[in-house]
Amino acid sequence: EPEVTQTPSHQVTQMGQEVILRCVPISNHLYFYWYRQILGQKVEFLVSFYNNEISEKSEIFDDQFSVERPDGSNFTLKIRSTKLEDSAMYFCASSFLTGMNTEAFFGQGTRLTVV
Amino acid sequence: GESVGLHLPTLSVQEGDNSIINCAYSNSASDYFIWYKQESGKGPQFIIDIRSNMDKRQGQRVTVLLNKTVKHLSLQIAATQPGDSAVYFCAENIWGAQKLVFGQGTRLTINP
Repeated sequence: EPEVTQTPSHQVTQMGQEVILRCVPISNHLYFYWYRQILGQKVEFLVSFYNNEISEKSEIFDDQFSVERPDGSNFTLKIRSTKLEDSAMYFCASSFLTGMNTEAFFGQGTRLTVV
Repeated sequence: GESVGLHLPTLSVQEGDNSIINCAYSNSASDYFIWYKQESGKGPQFIIDIRSNMDKRQGQRVTVLLNKTVKHLSLQIAATQPGDSAVYFCAENIWGAQKLVFGQGTRLTINP
C-alpha cells in the first residue's frame, strides 16, 4: 500500500539553527501539506502546496518557515531559525485532490526537539 | 472563528462494547468530515469520512453520523477491541479551503 514517508523520525536541534524536514508524498498525489502537533494537543495545519506553489497557509507559517519541492518526489519543510516553541511532531500529508472526498494520507511524523 | 471541538477528552469502554465518540464543529461551510485514529508515536490514520450531503455512513465496525442542524459528528465503533485504543480526531474540510481543521481529540481506552 502506498504511504507517505518522512525523515528523520526524530531531530534534535539547538535554538537558532536551521532544520529541514523531508517528506516523500504518495507518487500520484498532487496536493501536499504540512501539519504540526505540539505534545498532547490537536493537529494544526501549517501549509498546503499545489502546482509548485503555496496554496494556503496558516498564521503559524510565518517567515521563518518555507516549503519546497526540489524534485519530483521530495517535499521539504525548512525552519530557518528554530525556537523552543517549534518543538512538536511535524506531519507531512498528501492527497490526490483537495476538498470533498479527498482523503489526506499522513506520514509517521518527525519529532522535532529544539533545545 | 473556525473550530472543531470534542465533548469528552477521554473515554473508557469494556472490550466488546460499542463506543461513541462525539465531535462538534462550528463552521457551517464545512463540506467534508473525516475521522482519524492516532496511535502513540504515529501519524493520523484515516478511518472513515462523510460528505455534508449525507447523514450516515458505515464502514467495517465503524459508523459516522452527521447532524448538520446542530453541527455534530459522531463515530461509533462496534465491538471494540484492544487495538482500537488510540486518540481519535475529527477533522473538517471547509468548502474551498485546502486544509483540514482538526478537533482536540478523544483518547479511547479499552478495558479487558
